[in-house]
Amino acid sequence: NAGVTQTPKFRVLKTGQSMTLLCAQDMNHEYMYWYRQDPGMGLRLIHYSVGEGTTAKGEVPDGYNVSRLKKQNFLLGLESAAPSQTSVYFCASRSPSGSYNEQFFGPGTRLTVL
Amino acid sequence: GNSVTQMEGPVTLSEEAFLTINCTYTATGYPSLFWYVQYPGEGLQLLLKATKADDKGSNKGFEATYRKETTSFHLEKGSVQVSDSAVYFCALSSSRGADGLTFGKGTHLIIQP
Repeated sequence: NAGVTQTPKFRVLKTGQSMTLLCAQDMNHEYMYWYRQDPGMGLRLIHYSVGEGTTAKGEVPDGYNVSRLKKQNFLLGLESAAPSQTSVYFCASRSPSGSYNEQFFGPGTRLTVL
Repeated sequence: GNSVTQMEGPVTLSEEAFLTINCTYTATGYPSLFWYVQYPGEGLQLLLKATKADDKGSNKGFEATYRKETTSFHLEKGSVQVSDSAVYFCALSSSRGADGLTFGKGTHLIIQP
């Protein structure tokens, strides 16, 4: 049981390049989330999904796209990377049931855009 | 909208000192409250949680009580260790639907031997 995994762990891009971050979870969770973490800002929600084939915008969605083609995977895409997107990206998942809305986090992807 | 405010860091303490990290929140309804910990170079781990007023979450010697009257969820530990050095995040989850977590900015805790 690997929990939530993210690939890649590190990436350096040049301005204007594109890339996709992959998040996978093996807990059969319906809900999945992408956050970015910036110094002094905490974590902010980019996009989320409540099930296969669904996506929704979070607090800071501009410049990102997402897809949830399979229940276990949630992809975050940057079509034209900008230096302002230099950040650490975290994926999380949770079940819609239970008394707590606890989210389980992946290890993160550190992205640098030059 | 929802918001979480926690004390600014870094907080530097000596080993075996008493720790308090303040956290207050603004939210509609009855949110669930969490403390997450992030060790250097790692992702976030859930430290403790509480879902209703007067609930006390506890784990690894850390405690926090959900105080609805003061909208607070302060993190405490009686005797900190060097291994507790990390960044601590207070967070809340709305009582409705699939909303993501709202995080505070994080408090960097440094424990000196």
